[in-house]
Amino acid sequence: EPEVTQTPSHQVTQMGQEVILRCVPISNHLYFYWYRQILGQKVEFLVSFYNNEISEKSEIFDDQFSVERPDGSNFTLKIRSTKLEDSAMYFCASSVPVHYEQYFGPGTRLTVT
Amino acid sequence: DQQVKQNSPSLSVQEGRISILNCDYTNSMFDYFLWYKKYPAEGPTFLISISSIKDKNEDGRFTVFLNKSAKHLSLHIVPSQPGDSAVYFCAAGYFKGGADGLTFGKGTHLIIQP
Repeated sequence: EPEVTQTPSHQVTQMGQEVILRCVPISNHLYFYWYRQILGQKVEFLVSFYNNEISEKSEIFDDQFSVERPDGSNFTLKIRSTKLEDSAMYFCASSVPVHYEQYFGPGTRLTVT
Repeated sequence: DQQVKQNSPSLSVQEGRISILNCDYTNSMFDYFLWYKKYPAEGPTFLISISSIKDKNEDGRFTVFLNKSAKHLSLHIVPSQPGDSAVYFCAAGYFKGGADGLTFGKGTHLIIQP
């Protein structure tokens, strides 16, 4: 069964460093998403992407964040200058247009020290 | 702001019995609702969804009920099995014309007792 994959599974970085989290969405899906879950809190929507542009973004998704689809399979989330409060699980998801079910990857645990 | 609320942080149910997980919402614009199941160190797994034009959707052991007037939905699992032990998230969204983000509740930890 097709699934969303994410790399790395765990990323440790120092405050102020740039990180890139990678995702490979399900191949016939056209909508892509990033969510995060800070430890002990709920899953929060960050941004969605369609047709090579941002479709929707939350107030969390500020200028420190960017997303890109650099090729036909990868979807990336970049955090330019990480802060301690960026430590969280980051989940990528994808979906088919018109269908509202979103399918999530296993997540990347980001630890900022 | 808690637009999607799951007021029970945990629920313990005996194996074979019915598990009922509840979810309330405040935003009347929501068009659809989803339930996800999550094991530790894994991503949320889609279980079942329901459109706001329906009041019930069933898939095997899982049934979701929607009461729009009460802004309440519930997930029924019958019969409950040990593998159902996980955190269950209620999520909601509405069509804005593109790739629309979901709003999640805080989750309910379901524990199935043997």
